[in-house]
Amino acid sequence: AQSVTQLGSHVSVSEGALVLLRCNYSSSVPPYLFWYVQYPNQGLQLLLKYTTGATLVKGINGFEAEFKKSETSFHLTKPSAHMSDAAEYFCAVSDQGSSNTGKLIFGQGTTLQVKP
Amino acid sequence: NAGVTQTPKFRVLKTGQSMTLLCAQDMNHEYMYWYRQDPGMGLRLIHYSVGEGTTAKGEVPDGYNVSRLKKQNFLLGLESAAPSQTSVYFCASSYSNAAVETQYFGPGTRLLVL
Repeated sequence: AQSVTQLGSHVSVSEGALVLLRCNYSSSVPPYLFWYVQYPNQGLQLLLKYTTGATLVKGINGFEAEFKKSETSFHLTKPSAHMSDAAEYFCAVSDQGSSNTGKLIFGQGTTLQVKP
Repeated sequence: NAGVTQTPKFRVLKTGQSMTLLCAQDMNHEYMYWYRQDPGMGLRLIHYSVGEGTTAKGEVPDGYNVSRLKKQNFLLGLESAAPSQTSVYFCASSYSNAAVETQYFGPGTRLLVL
């Protein structure tokens, strides 16, 4: 069965600093991986996803993530944090069980705080 | 194009009361999902639907029922609310069941059960 672990429930960075949010997964099949962002009092929206091909995936708002099979990781990065990046970030893996329902399995979430 | 909408945005219930949460999407998506979000636990799937008239249980279905009478609507019902059902509920939809498919989320319904 697939699972997702996000290391660190809270991450705090200064404006302009590097953002690194960690995600590790377990999957017995090649995974499809997602990062969603939830801004305060809003629903989740897709930041980026990895399906196949290039392992470095670029998303919206300057975020990118690299799929590393050997490390079973899909960490999210942004070179320079902006105040508007403050949000909760969720890593997810697509459930590829026999039922083929399109279900997502989410990590616990990481709250990003950006300090001026 | 409103995307995915949820009604109501916020509700307070007393233990034992019932209510229905409504999710509507205008993207002609086949698949719809109900999740609950609790602190430190991410989102967990309650029920889902693979098309009009069909529903199935997710990871945490106990205490909830659902219906999908119209393709665009997915209803989540609580027959007898319990404090453990205090949570934020999110509806999502997707075009297909492909593992690569993006899910589109509504803004959420915050439910407090006293």
